[in-house]
Amino acid sequence: SAVISQKPSRDICQRGTSLTIQCQVDSQVTMMFWYRQQPGQSLTLIATANQGSEATYESGFVIDKFPISRPNLTFSTLTVSNMSPEDSSIYLCSVPGGGPWGTEAFFGQGTRLTVV
Amino acid sequence: GDSVTQMEGPVTLSEEAFLTINCTYTATGYPSLFWYVQYPGEGLQLLLKATKADDKGSNKGFEATYRKETTSFHLEKGSVQVSDSAVYFCALRGGGATNKLIFGTGTLLAVQP
Repeated sequence: SAVISQKPSRDICQRGTSLTIQCQVDSQVTMMFWYRQQPGQSLTLIATANQGSEATYESGFVIDKFPISRPNLTFSTLTVSNMSPEDSSIYLCSVPGGGPWGTEAFFGQGTRLTVV
Repeated sequence: GDSVTQMEGPVTLSEEAFLTINCTYTATGYPSLFWYVQYPGEGLQLLLKATKADDKGSNKGFEATYRKETTSFHLEKGSVQVSDSAVYFCALRGGGATNKLIFGTGTLLAVQP
């Protein structure tokens, strides 16, 4: 299993500002995923972050809004830029379990963001 | 594309009642199926999984069987406890190289003493 630490756990931010969320994993992983969980809704994948390459963004998400860094195999950051109230969500970092297809993913506890 | 449809909540039960949360999926190929649970104030945790048709995943008294013929993965528990109160997410991981999970909308379960 993997232990994932996310910071901050929650924040309240002014619209128009940016927030950077950090994700630290206790083991080296190739892939890291960033998800968004909007109020009352399911988890939606924002992007996949591979070390040493540009992040791959899902439809509806762009790098200018959600820039991601992946400087090494245990760490990643997600920035929510130029925030609006619609960005109020829980943001989660995730890594896949090792082994063949079918293994589970591990999640951080999430960052609860409120934009006012 | 791949998708997961999950029973809407909230589901409110009395302690020791029988629980079923329905989950159906649409996917090409042979996905792996998961149930995740999110207890109040905590992160998502894997509850159980099944990687091929007719597999039954089980954990903590919860069970789900991978039914390819009905494209379903319903979660069941024979006797729920107050401590089972949480949000339950059905998810799939399709084939291919992306290794990403697709989640259902989540079902809030509230168990009353």
